[in-house]
Amino acid sequence: AQTVTQSQPEMSVQEAETVTLSCTYDTSENNYYLFWYKQPPSRQMILVIRQEAYKQQNATENRFSVNFQKAAKSFSLKISDSQLGDTAMYFCAFMKRGNAGGTSYGKLTFGQGTILTVHP
Amino acid sequence: EAQVTQNPRYLITVTGKKLTVTCSQNMNHEYMSWYRQDPGLGLRQIYYSMNVEVTDKGDVPEGYKVSRKEKRNFPLILESPSPNQTSLYFCASRPKTSFSGTKEYFGPGTRLTVL
Repeated sequence: AQTVTQSQPEMSVQEAETVTLSCTYDTSENNYYLFWYKQPPSRQMILVIRQEAYKQQNATENRFSVNFQKAAKSFSLKISDSQLGDTAMYFCAFMKRGNAGGTSYGKLTFGQGTILTVHP
Repeated sequence: EAQVTQNPRYLITVTGKKLTVTCSQNMNHEYMSWYRQDPGLGLRQIYYSMNVEVTDKGDVPEGYKVSRKEKRNFPLILESPSPNQTSLYFCASRPKTSFSGTKEYFGPGTRLTVL
């Protein structure tokens, strides 16, 4: 079974600065996907960024980037130029890669979450 | 608009009174799931469904039932709710694809309180 650990229950950052959220996972799988989801006070779950484990290049989405260290099983999220709208709970999540026929269900396993507060 | 809807959004009930939380998606997705979110525990999967009439237990299925009679609907049933089922519940869906890896589309959440 896979486990995902977010060791920072809460983080804070000043507006316009950079912050990094940590995530580690434990798996015996070699092929999988990693995600960061954002949950603002509205409670809506929003996909921030996705990484395919077989790709060495770190994923980036505008101000969001990841540092994926496969050997260390680490997947941190870096938010640059933080904005007030980035205030949210952030969840790291793991999904095992399924089969070519799509008949293998890839369960999404979440970490405990990190509450990020951006201060003006 | 592509979306997952849940009803009700808020519910306060008493121990033992059966309830159903509805979930519907308009994206023709094969996979649907229910999660519960609790402080310090993140989201944990309750049940999932890979297609019509195909359901299976997730990590925390005790006290819950589901059904998938139609592709778009996946209701969550609490036959005899207890206070430890007080939580925030999310329904989610995603398409069946080769190798998985697609994003999960989440509903807006249902805040359930069992007194």
